[in-house]
Amino acid sequence: KNQVEQSPQSLIILEGKNCTLQCNYTVSPFSNLRWYKQDTGRGPVSLTIMTFSENTKSNGRYTATLDADTKQSSLHITASQLSDSASYICVGGNSGYSTLTFGKGTMLLVSP
Amino acid sequence: EADIYQIPRYLVIGTGKKITLECSQTMGHDKMYWYQQDPGMELHLIHYSYGVNSTEKGDLSSESTVSRIRTEHFPLTLESARPSHTSQYLCASSDGRGAGELFFGEGSRLTVL
Repeated sequence: KNQVEQSPQSLIILEGKNCTLQCNYTVSPFSNLRWYKQDTGRGPVSLTIMTFSENTKSNGRYTATLDADTKQSSLHITASQLSDSASYICVGGNSGYSTLTFGKGTMLLVSP
Repeated sequence: EADIYQIPRYLVIGTGKKITLECSQTMGHDKMYWYQQDPGMELHLIHYSYGVNSTEKGDLSSESTVSRIRTEHFPLTLESARPSHTSQYLCASSDGRGAGELFFGEGSRLTVL
């Protein structure tokens, strides 16, 4: 069974600090790894998409890494802002869009 | 900004009522999806469509039904709502090319009393 596990479940950091969110996945056959940001009560918004051959991808202050050998990914947020407070969802994909596997998300709170 | 819209954003109704959640996209995407999400939980696929007149059930069993008569619209219907249907329903679309982006609507929060 395909699974995506995220840690920590929740995290509080001070504004301006960096943080790293973790994702372990078991998705077969593996094709791509995605990170989404979901504000409370809103739909998810794509941050990065990495195929199995990519190791890192950046989107502004967000940098995702992928290690397909260990089946791990991380999302690093630099110089956090209050607007970064949201749930960050890791998603493993295989060959079909009907088979995306979503994690439960890490709830990040950036405190002033 | 993604051009995918959901109506209504919030709906509170009584048990037994019929409801339709609307989803429209203006990106010309062939592939559309409905996900269900409960608080603190992962998204689960309940329906998807790869084009007009194509609909399939997703991983999570749902009493809802969908239709795809036009490329732009992918409405979800519950014939008789129950409290167990209370949830957030998210519509999404993609162009389906390779590992392309999945664009989500803002969601419809359904509460059945």
